[in-house]
Amino acid sequence: AQKITQTQPGMFVQEKEAVTLDCTYDTSDQSYGLFWYKQPSSGEMIFLIYQGSYDEQNATEGRYSLNFQKARKSANLVISASQLGDSAMYFCAMREGGTALIFGKGTTLSVSS
Amino acid sequence: NAGVTQTPKFQVLKTGQSMTLQCAQDMNHEYMSWYRQDPGMGLRLIHYSVGAGITDQGEVPNGYNVSRSTTEDFPLRLLSAAPSQTSVYFCASSPGARRTEAFFGQGTRLTVV
Repeated sequence: AQKITQTQPGMFVQEKEAVTLDCTYDTSDQSYGLFWYKQPSSGEMIFLIYQGSYDEQNATEGRYSLNFQKARKSANLVISASQLGDSAMYFCAMREGGTALIFGKGTTLSVSS
Repeated sequence: NAGVTQTPKFQVLKTGQSMTLQCAQDMNHEYMSWYRQDPGMGLRLIHYSVGAGITDQGEVPNGYNVSRSTTEDFPLRLLSAAPSQTSVYFCASSPGARRTEAFFGQGTRLTVV
C-alpha cells in the first residue's frame, strides 16, 4: 500500500490565485513528520515546509501553509498568491521513526499569467 | 559550504557494466539515502543509512549495493547495469531527527544502453 498518495497529477492556476495540492498518508506510528518539496524544471529538490504529527498548529512558511488534518491523515499544501516561479513539481513526503523520507508521486503545478 | 555532492552528473553505461555513483556530505549528518526518480513514479527509496556501518533496503533495492564506511560518504553501486536502471538518482542527507528535512544533491542522470 502506498504510504503517500498525491491524487492530482497536474494542477493549473492563474497568477495571484491560491492553490491547494493534496496529500494523504498512511502510517500506524504516532510520531512522524510530513514534508513538502518543490522540484523546478532545473531538477533540484527544494524543501518548503514541515509539519510534525504532534504539532497543534498548521505550519506556515511565507506563502506556503500546510493544512494538517490528522484524523483524515491529510497534509495538503496551500500556496497563496501564486507566482509564475511556482510552476514546478511538488512532492509530499513522510518520515516515520528512524527511517528515510518516503515520497509521493508528485503533482505538477502550472501557473499562468 | 558544499552540502551534498553527487558525482558524476551524467553517465552513459552499456548493459552489463558496473559503476559507482558517489555521494558525499560535509554537514556531519547521520542519515543518508539514495532515491531514483522516474517519470510518474516520484522518488523511490533505494537504500538508506542511519549511520556509519549501518544500511538498510528501501522500496527498490534490487540491482544496487551500498556501504557506509564513513559518515561523509555513501556510494551507490550498480552491479550489472540494465536499461531498467536508466533514471535520475538523488542522494540525500539529514541530521536524523524526525523534524529535520533532508538535503539533496543535484542528481545524477544515468542512461543504460
